[in-house]
Amino acid sequence: DIVMTQSPDSLAVSLGERATIHCKSSQSVLSISNNRNYLAWYQQKAGQPPRLLIYWASTRQSGVPDRFSGSGSATDFTLTINSLQAEDVALYSCQQYYGTPTFGQGTRLDLK
Amino acid sequence: QVQLVQSGAEVKTPGASVKISCEASGYSFSGYDIKWVRQATGQGLEYIGWVNPPSGTTVYAQKFEGRITMTRGTSESSSSLEMSGLKAEDTAVYYCGRGPRSGWIDSWGQGTLLTVS
Repeated sequence: DIVMTQSPDSLAVSLGERATIHCKSSQSVLSISNNRNYLAWYQQKAGQPPRLLIYWASTRQSGVPDRFSGSGSATDFTLTINSLQAEDVALYSCQQYYGTPTFGQGTRLDLK
Repeated sequence: QVQLVQSGAEVKTPGASVKISCEASGYSFSGYDIKWVRQATGQGLEYIGWVNPPSGTTVYAQKFEGRITMTRGTSESSSSLEMSGLKAEDTAVYYCGRGPRSGWIDSWGQGTLLTVS
């Protein structure tokens, strides 16, 4: 299985500042055949199911604010949240779907 | 709008089996896979597997092979997850979701709490 490791495990950011979350895969999730990275990001607020934010590493799901962006390729990926809002406090998880899907352990984002 | 509604909470004893259902509406059921994920309290998400409703094709995470069965349910737009040989470590919230074959999950059920004790 492809192991996904996120860093940090938790972080606290002030309102209006930028939050950056990293995700590293144990092997490349970049497909040579279509040049796509098989990587998604989810947001999960307390007591709720996850919400899809990003797929193909950088494509924003419909309805997701543009302050959320994804970047990276092959084994190293980043989720960036610009101008942090109070409602962004959540658990963020990456998921690869190159092989049998696996998730990262999650990163907890709180307000400083 | 897309909705996935799961069956209610379950309490089981070790060694028992459980069946969790997921009823979909608001989209063409045959156009997407149904995926299953679980989350223990305070822990991260864990992928269990997926089923393709039209074909019945299933893919299970290796950890669950031999212990789970995912099927298209009794109604036209439902799916179910059956797990046997339950252990305390299976205590978690189980989610169904829909997504393209490629693998992400773009809509989620509300979750079903399974307690094994």
